[in-house]
Amino acid sequence: DGGITQSPKYLFRKEGQNVTLSCEQNLNHDAMYWYRQDPGQGLRLIYYSQIVNDFQKGDIAEGYSVSREKKESFPLTVTSAQKNPTAFYLCASSIGQLRGTDTQYFGPGTRLTVL
Amino acid sequence: EDKVVQSPLSLVVHEGDTVTLNCSYEVTNFRSLLWYKQEKKAPTFLFMLTSSGIEKKSGRLSSILDKKELFSILNITATQTGDSAVYLCAVSTSGTYKYIFGTGTRLKVLA
Repeated sequence: DGGITQSPKYLFRKEGQNVTLSCEQNLNHDAMYWYRQDPGQGLRLIYYSQIVNDFQKGDIAEGYSVSREKKESFPLTVTSAQKNPTAFYLCASSIGQLRGTDTQYFGPGTRLTVL
Repeated sequence: EDKVVQSPLSLVVHEGDTVTLNCSYEVTNFRSLLWYKQEKKAPTFLFMLTSSGIEKKSGRLSSILDKKELFSILNITATQTGDSAVYLCAVSTSGTYKYIFGTGTRLKVLA
């Protein structure tokens, strides 16, 4: 089955720790995205990547880092510099504007809680 | 600054009612507008609109885009409890691969 997987589903972190959220897609999509969703708010863009080995900051990149070494994978690290990391994190991918439609497909999300 | 605004923020209706959700936008280099439904976790895709005045329809849901007035509406007729969800509107822009999301409309349908 084609799709986007995220792991873990739930993650608990102590203050001062870095944690890495996994995102994998087998849709052969060029573009991948990370969003953060807080209660009562829409999706806010953290980082996005159009192609392998390239990524750009979104609107709220401070305290986060990413890598895009493979087309299928776009892991997000939440560093200790992120002051309020408790949130729901969504990964998405799209075929890329140059190749086709704009539809984004979302993974099931990771809920991160800082203890 | 690019922005997408949805209204109302929340809505409570009874089964069988018809609802209209609004999405207005101000972006540079508009490319498309997308509607998603989010129940518990991942948003699921509903519609993508690129041309003004052409209605997209899927069962009881329909949507239309007005590129002159910079807004879109999502209509749901004969609502059911299963329509209860947050409905998200997003706009994509040319050349940047970015999608700008609104805050969503939380719809609750009572039996």
